[in-house]
Amino acid sequence: SQQGEEDPQALSIQEGENATMNCSYKTSINNLQWYRQNSGRGLVHLILIRSNEREKHSGRLRVTLDTSKKSSSLLITASRAADTASYFCATGLMYSGGGADGLTFGKGTHLIIQP
Amino acid sequence: DTEVTQTPKHLVMGMTNKKSLKCEQHMGHRAMYWYKQKAKKPPELMFVYSYEKLSINESVPSRFSPECPNSSLLNLHLHALQPEDSALYLCASSQEGLGGNTIYFGEGSWLTVV
Repeated sequence: SQQGEEDPQALSIQEGENATMNCSYKTSINNLQWYRQNSGRGLVHLILIRSNEREKHSGRLRVTLDTSKKSSSLLITASRAADTASYFCATGLMYSGGGADGLTFGKGTHLIIQP
Repeated sequence: DTEVTQTPKHLVMGMTNKKSLKCEQHMGHRAMYWYKQKAKKPPELMFVYSYEKLSINESVPSRFSPECPNSSLLNLHLHALQPEDSALYLCASSQEGLGGNTIYFGEGSWLTVV
């Protein structure tokens, strides 16, 4: 079943501009993770943010989480052509029994950086 | 670079064939996963193994049979597949435990059923 919904589904910007992608989800979560996928390749993990965190940074990436609105955003600053990829948010559900429960992925945002 | 290794990278099989996809990780992770991804769609969870035991099966047809021989290896046995099973199959792994952990993915195996 699908949990996250990314917005927008596609985004095209000029190199050097900032790119913002949003993700909404429906149920209570344990954590939210963002991934990047280049065409035909595997998923590269970007950031994990836990349900008790509001903001995290990693290099040019900034992720926010608003559990009251069940939403998250990914900001990529000073974009580069190499950032062209699909970006997915994925939620880890509350699992009181502990243990691994996998992730549920949103539909993804396809980001194109124009040189 | 991913530390989850999947083989083969590409596989073409007939509907009567039996084949296997293999996945290996040496990060000491005790949870391993299989996902299926169709073109232009998000990955969908198929199976979760926790401490080498199948803990989640997302109602996957029996023509897909997972196996976890040890804590580093995960196989997906394929038999009597249909053309609609053609997809990218992604293996992943993570630490176990409460609170959720980063899940690391391999590069995937492209499967074509003819």
